[in-house]
Amino acid sequence: DVKVTQSSRYLVKRTGEKVFLECVQDMDHENMFWYRQDPGLGLRLIYFSYDVKMKEKGDIPEGYSVSREKKERFSLILESASTNQTSMYLCASSPGTRVGQPQHFGDGTRLSIL
Amino acid sequence: GNSVTQMEGPVTLSEEAFLTINCTYTATGYPSLFWYVQYPGEGLQLLLKATKADDKGSNKGFEATYRKETTSFHLEKGSVQVSDSAVYFCALMTTDSWGKLQFGAGTQVVVTP
Repeated sequence: DVKVTQSSRYLVKRTGEKVFLECVQDMDHENMFWYRQDPGLGLRLIYFSYDVKMKEKGDIPEGYSVSREKKERFSLILESASTNQTSMYLCASSPGTRVGQPQHFGDGTRLSIL
Repeated sequence: GNSVTQMEGPVTLSEEAFLTINCTYTATGYPSLFWYVQYPGEGLQLLLKATKADDKGSNKGFEATYRKETTSFHLEKGSVQVSDSAVYFCALMTTDSWGKLQFGAGTQVVVTP
């Protein structure tokens, strides 16, 4: 089974802090994704990566950056956390870009910015 | 552009009732279609998928058939259990989406004993 591991289930940070959310997958997947999930807004794609050191903006990249130095690890960075970034963050991976290959999700990180 | 429309929830059912969650889509070309489930406090899990017209995906008693003529992928289960209480997401992927998914808004299902 594919395992996508997010480093924290719950995280509390303060406004203005630099926040790192880590995600690791163990199936040698090419693609990795970061989403945020908010009530009434569903899942929104922040960034994705289809190869090491490659990254592409999703629908809501503002205020975020990402890093993919190794194939198995995809980090989401909140450069200067703000209260409107309080949310559930979900990481996912998939084998490649061929249609029909599903994404596999981690358990999520519930981030609170105070 | 691509889009997925799901019926709004919450859907409240009694145990052993029949469940249907409607999902329709708009997409270019021939998308692959997915149902994901999210149990409380967890991430999304793939429930089932279908990659071409008339395919039926099935898993854990759930079924969905890819209907190209009606652009639909409705999820059904004949007899729900309390443990099926969750949020269900319909999603699609197209050949030009680079593996990205387009999700519906999600439908919360509550099953009572």
